[in-house]
Amino acid sequence: AQKITQTQPGMFVQEKEAVTLDCTYDTSDPSYGLFWYKQPSSGEMIFLIYQGSYDQQNATEGRYSLNFQKARKSANLVISASQLGDSAMYFCAMRESSYSSASKIIFGSGTRLSIRP
Amino acid sequence: EAGVAQSPRYKIIEKRQSVAFWCNPISGHATLYWYQQILGQGPKLLIQFQNNGVVDDSQLPKDRFSAERLKGVDSTLKIQPAKLEDSAVYLCASSSTTFSGGKSYEQYFGPGTRLTVT
Repeated sequence: AQKITQTQPGMFVQEKEAVTLDCTYDTSDPSYGLFWYKQPSSGEMIFLIYQGSYDQQNATEGRYSLNFQKARKSANLVISASQLGDSAMYFCAMRESSYSSASKIIFGSGTRLSIRP
Repeated sequence: EAGVAQSPRYKIIEKRQSVAFWCNPISGHATLYWYQQILGQGPKLLIQFQNNGVVDDSQLPKDRFSAERLKGVDSTLKIQPAKLEDSAVYLCASSSTTFSGGKSYEQYFGPGTRLTVT
């Protein structure tokens, strides 16, 4: 069965520093997709970045990059030059059978990131 | 492009009462999801529709929760009767069934409905 694990319940980081949020996953499906979402205190879920299991390169989106280590089944989110507005909950999620629109997505328990000025 | 709409945004009810939430997905999105997010936890999938058919409802407490998606567009999630442990944010999301290359059916979320059961 698919599983997502985020082992850091909370993190404090100084503004402008880089931060890495950990995510490990478990699946027996060779085709899967990994997502990171940001959830500010207002509650909306904001999509940040996606990595497919067959993608050769690590995904990047502006200040966000995904450190994808397939053999270790980890998909850590790296935020460069953190900003005060990055303070939020961050969720890692996975979709098995990534080419099927009917496959479901499961979420990890989240990491609360707090940026110190 | 309009986003996923949900109403109401907030609802307070007493236990054993009933409540209904409404979701309107992004136009053209065939897949619709309802999640329950308890404070401090990640979202848990309750039910997933593709068009007006149910794809997955394995985690829906069917003795008290029901959901429908008539005509494959809007959806309603109902709880009857509510329990204290149903207090949570109920998130609706939608996604396209057209493979978008790198993003594999990215989900778009609505603002959620915060339910408090007293």
